[in-house]
Amino acid sequence: QLQLQESGPGLVKPSETLSLTCTVSGGSISSSSYYWGWIRQPPGKGLEWIGSIYYSGSTYYNPSLKSRVTISVDTSKNQFSLKLSSVTAADTAVYYCARQGRHYNWFDPWGQGTLVTVSS
Amino acid sequence: QPVLTQPPSASASLGASVTLTCTLSSGYSNYKVDWYQQRPGKGPRFVMRVGTGGIVGSKGDGIPDRFSVLGSGLNRYLTIKNIQEEDESDYHCGADHGSGSNFVFVVFGGGTKLTVL
Repeated sequence: QLQLQESGPGLVKPSETLSLTCTVSGGSISSSSYYWGWIRQPPGKGLEWIGSIYYSGSTYYNPSLKSRVTISVDTSKNQFSLKLSSVTAADTAVYYCARQGRHYNWFDPWGQGTLVTVSS
Repeated sequence: QPVLTQPPSASASLGASVTLTCTLSSGYSNYKVDWYQQRPGKGPRFVMRVGTGGIVGSKGDGIPDRFSVLGSGLNRYLTIKNIQEEDESDYHCGADHGSGSNFVFVVFGGGTKLTVL
């Protein structure tokens, strides 16, 4: 059974870079059938797609975040990562990683999520 | 890109039925929508995809037969019959622009909080 687990600092200072890693277990990140995505959810609010990556390194970003986001993949570790630069309090959210189908682009499954707070 | 609109809340009595609505913005009536269930304190879980022809593909793992979908015009519906306490969750809808390897981006609605009375 495929599982995803987010990891990284729970507290980031304003103007610094948020860095998270998603570790995939129970399946290969190098599958040609899937993308791997990051989605976030500010407290009490809805979901926001951040971006997705294919194992080859091709990336797709939310236009509203594109200037600050970098998603990368490490197939040797079966991991993919998120970097969000110049963070502000508005970036405080639970960050989820998820597998995304290439034929049907839904997200399934999702990780449990990790709360990142931006505060000095 | 489409905007997805969901009522912020809904409620239904134990054993009753409820229909949740996700409305696409004008001009996007051909878009399919994905429904996700998010139980309190948990990550979202894929329920199923819906277009104007009904379900697209298969349901998510473990989604009971009590869950069904319909699509009409700009609206995409998720109906839950014989509501159980475990169905009390936030329900999100999402849509992707582009398809398959031509995927471009994803948008989500604001979510509907379903309360079981």
